[in-house]
Amino acid sequence: AQKVTQAQTEISVVEKEDVTLDCVYETRDTTYYLFWYKQPPSGELVFLIRRNSFDEQNEISGRYSWNFQKSTSSFNFTITASQVVDSAVYFCALSDLNQAGTALIFGKGTTLSVSS
Amino acid sequence: SQTIHQWPATLVQPVGSPLSLECTVEGTSNPNLYWYRQAAGRGLQLLFYSVGIGQISSEVPQNLSASRPQDRQFILSSKKLLLSDSGFYLCAWSDGNRYGYTFGSGTRLTVV
Repeated sequence: AQKVTQAQTEISVVEKEDVTLDCVYETRDTTYYLFWYKQPPSGELVFLIRRNSFDEQNEISGRYSWNFQKSTSSFNFTITASQVVDSAVYFCALSDLNQAGTALIFGKGTTLSVSS
Repeated sequence: SQTIHQWPATLVQPVGSPLSLECTVEGTSNPNLYWYRQAAGRGLQLLFYSVGIGQISSEVPQNLSASRPQDRQFILSSKKLLLSDSGFYLCAWSDGNRYGYTFGSGTRLTVV
């Protein structure tokens, strides 16, 4: 069965610190997609990144970077030089062919608090 | 461009009252539609999904039901709300190829 685990429930850092959010997934499919979403206090889900299972290249977008390792079934997210505006709940999610309706399966989220 | 509308934004309902949350998508046809619920301090749980008009699949047995009367309309309902139905409800759509999932702005439901 598909499963996404975000073991870190809450993380607190001080501005300018680097922080890594962990994500471990389980799937029997060989073709799958991984996502990260940000949920600010207002509640809406903001799409951050989509990665398919055949692309293991790490990606960097400004202060954000993602490390995808199929060998360990992990898709970790690092924020460099964190800012107060990064405070939010971050969700990792998985979509594979075994999930009927191709629905996204989410982890339980990691609440990131960045203080000034 | 495609847009998704979800309403109302907030709702306070007494226990035992009915519920109807509506979600509509514009700018696309035959989308896959989803309802998720986020209980306080918890993750996003898939409640229902639909791959076509009248086709509804339930992921979690509960007090809620869903309907898709039109191609781009998805409704979440309950005949009698329970306290445990409180939460943040999100509607989403995708085109089925898993390229992207777009979420509505959510409805915060409080059952009192």
